[in-house]
Amino acid sequence: NAGVTQTPKFRVLKTGQSMTLLCAQDMNHEYMYWYRQDPGMGLRLIHYSVGEGTTAKGEVPDGYNVSRLKKQNFLLGLESAAPSQTSVYFCASSQRGVVSYEQYFGPGTRLTVT
Amino acid sequence: AQSVAQPEDQVNVAEGNPLTVKCTYSVSGNPYLFWYVQYPNRGLQFLLKYITGDNLVKGSYGFEAEFNKSQTSFHLKKPSALVSDSALYFCASLHYGNNRLAFGKGNQVVVIP
Repeated sequence: NAGVTQTPKFRVLKTGQSMTLLCAQDMNHEYMYWYRQDPGMGLRLIHYSVGEGTTAKGEVPDGYNVSRLKKQNFLLGLESAAPSQTSVYFCASSQRGVVSYEQYFGPGTRLTVT
Repeated sequence: AQSVAQPEDQVNVAEGNPLTVKCTYSVSGNPYLFWYVQYPNRGLQFLLKYITGDNLVKGSYGFEAEFNKSQTSFHLKKPSALVSDSALYFCASLHYGNNRLAFGKGNQVVVIP
């Protein structure tokens, strides 16, 4: 199993450009998440999904949109990139249930907005 | 509301010495607590979790953590640190129901040869 994969690994955008980050998981997990990681701030939740066709806002959702059309994929969109969105983005997934709560993380996407 | 705090930015320890990374929590209801590790240019990896049961939880790579309800702490420990343990360590608490994790800001651990 590949686990959680993210595409692309690196990207440089100019202010105002748009892009989509793709997350895919092959573990049949119900829940998926998008985080951003900034120095000294830990990981902050952007959006998450508790199942196919559902999405919800996390801690820092402004400037981002998401879609979960297929259970295995979770897309994060930036419609008009801003320098404040320069960050490392991580996708994660987890099972739903009583026993297993740990989240499995992808390798990350390093985004620079100039 | 739920949150965790990691009071130290960086922990330096000599190889072979005990390693402790501190975490305190503020959670309404029963706490579900986790430790993750991040090696350079990698995603986070799960180390261990406390859901219920024994206060001493054993995890991957020889790490363990002690849940202390009276001190609202969940410190990560390893009896003998390795240079390969140098990484960024995150404590997190879980909101039951939507599996949302709230992360601490992270602790950089540097193990000195």
